[in-house]
Amino acid sequence: VQLVESGGGLVKPGRSLRLSCETSGFTFDNHAMHWVRQAPGKGLEWVSGISWNGGTLGYADSVKGRFIISRDNAANSLSLQMNSLRSEDTAVYFCAKHSQYYYDSSGYFDSWGQGTLVTVSS
Amino acid sequence: QSVLTQPPSVSGAPGQRVTISCSGSYSNIGAGYGVQWYQQIPGKGPKLLIFANKNRPSGVPDRFSGSTSGTSASLAISGLQAEDEADYYCQSFDRKLSVVVFGAGTKLTVL
Repeated sequence: VQLVESGGGLVKPGRSLRLSCETSGFTFDNHAMHWVRQAPGKGLEWVSGISWNGGTLGYADSVKGRFIISRDNAANSLSLQMNSLRSEDTAVYFCAKHSQYYYDSSGYFDSWGQGTLVTVSS
Repeated sequence: QSVLTQPPSVSGAPGQRVTISCSGSYSNIGAGYGVQWYQQIPGKGPKLLIFANKNRPSGVPDRFSGSTSGTSASLAISGLQAEDEADYYCQSFDRKLSVVVFGAGTKLTVL
C-alpha cells in the first residue's frame, strides 16, 4: 500500500491550494479515504472524510464551507481543495486509508502517507 | 479542547509497564465506536498500533495491548524499550458530532 501526497507549499491568506493523494497497492474503491492534519508541534486533527463512492462526505467544523474533498476512483486518487486559507490551516496534511467503505463507520486508518506541508503566511 | 482526553505525558524506565488513558463519552467510546491507537515518531506519519479496542495489526509486538471500559480506553505498553519513545494518539468516531475524533496525544518518555 502506498499513499503519496502532493500539492503543499507556501500560500498567502485568503488564497487557494489543492492537495492530491495518489494511491496504489489496494482496491481504492473498497475504502473510505480521509485527510488528517497536524499543525507544527501539535496533535492530529481530522479534516475530512469521503466514502467509497463519494456519496457521503464529512468535514471538521474548522474547515466546513472552505474545503472540498473529492475522489477519482478510476485514477485511484484523493483530493482536497482548500479555499479561503487561514494561518491556522498551516499544517502537515496526511492522506489516510480507512478500513471501511463509509467514512462515518466504526473503522480505523490502516495506512498513512508521509504528509505534505501547507504553510499559510503573508 | 479534544473530545477524547489523554494525559499530556507519561514516562517509565526500560522494562517497565505504562498505561495511557483515553477518556470519551457516550457519543463516541460509550456508543460502541471502536477505539484505535496510533504511534507517531516525530517527523513521521502515524502508525496504527491497536484497532477496534484491542486488536493488533500484524507486526505490532504483543507488548502493546488495548482495552475499553464504559466511556474510556487504555493502551498498555509492557517491557518498555527505548524505541517506544513517541507520541501516542487515541481515535474514535463521535456520532453526535458526526466527526472522527482524536485525543490530543500523549508523549511517552523512556527514562
